[in-house]
Amino acid sequence: GENVEQHPSTLSVQEGDSAVIKCTYSDSASNYFPWYKQELGKRPQLIIDIRSNVGEKKDQRIAVTLNKTAKHFSLHITETQPEDSAVYFCAASSSYKLIFGSGTRLLVRP
Amino acid sequence: KAGVTQTPRYLIKTRGQQVTLSCSPISGHRSVSWYQQTPGQGLQFLFEYFSETQRNKGNFPGRFSGRQFSNSRSEMNVSTLELGDSALYLCASSGDTQETQYFGPGTRLLVL
Repeated sequence: GENVEQHPSTLSVQEGDSAVIKCTYSDSASNYFPWYKQELGKRPQLIIDIRSNVGEKKDQRIAVTLNKTAKHFSLHITETQPEDSAVYFCAASSSYKLIFGSGTRLLVRP
Repeated sequence: KAGVTQTPRYLIKTRGQQVTLSCSPISGHRSVSWYQQTPGQGLQFLFEYFSETQRNKGNFPGRFSGRQFSNSRSEMNVSTLELGDSALYLCASSGDTQETQYFGPGTRLLVL
């Protein structure tokens, strides 16, 4: 069945450094790849997304890249801040469903 | 626009009981998806409804069912509850494309 693998499961960075989270998907029909941020006790919030006809997308300090051939996509956060600390989920969409990765707990140390 | 709402927010049930959870999507959204979130399994897709039709479902037993009404509100039902059903149940709504999804606050279910 469809699967999304996400690495690393935990990531600790110093404030101001960059953070990179990587995901690999199995369903070649996947055409939409959102990233969600979930703070403790809160609902997942969409932070950025990319569609299969685009290779890269950037929104201020956040960027996502997609390699359809390798079925791989990544989230890049630059100039990290303590408020970036949260769990980040990648997902791949096809056939009316989102398959989520297992999540990355990001800790930004002040 | 008001966001996605879910009721109830918290629920305690005992094994063998059944439970019904409700989700009201963002106005104008016709797609509603349901997810189970647990610390060990992450976010797992349950099913998706669009215009009262289930278009896809995840790998959950038949005890988990859902439906959608003509006003796009959706309910999910879990019968014969098991301890392992304790989880946060999230719904998400989106427009016709089913792509950009907006999550509700979730219903936290505890089965004793």
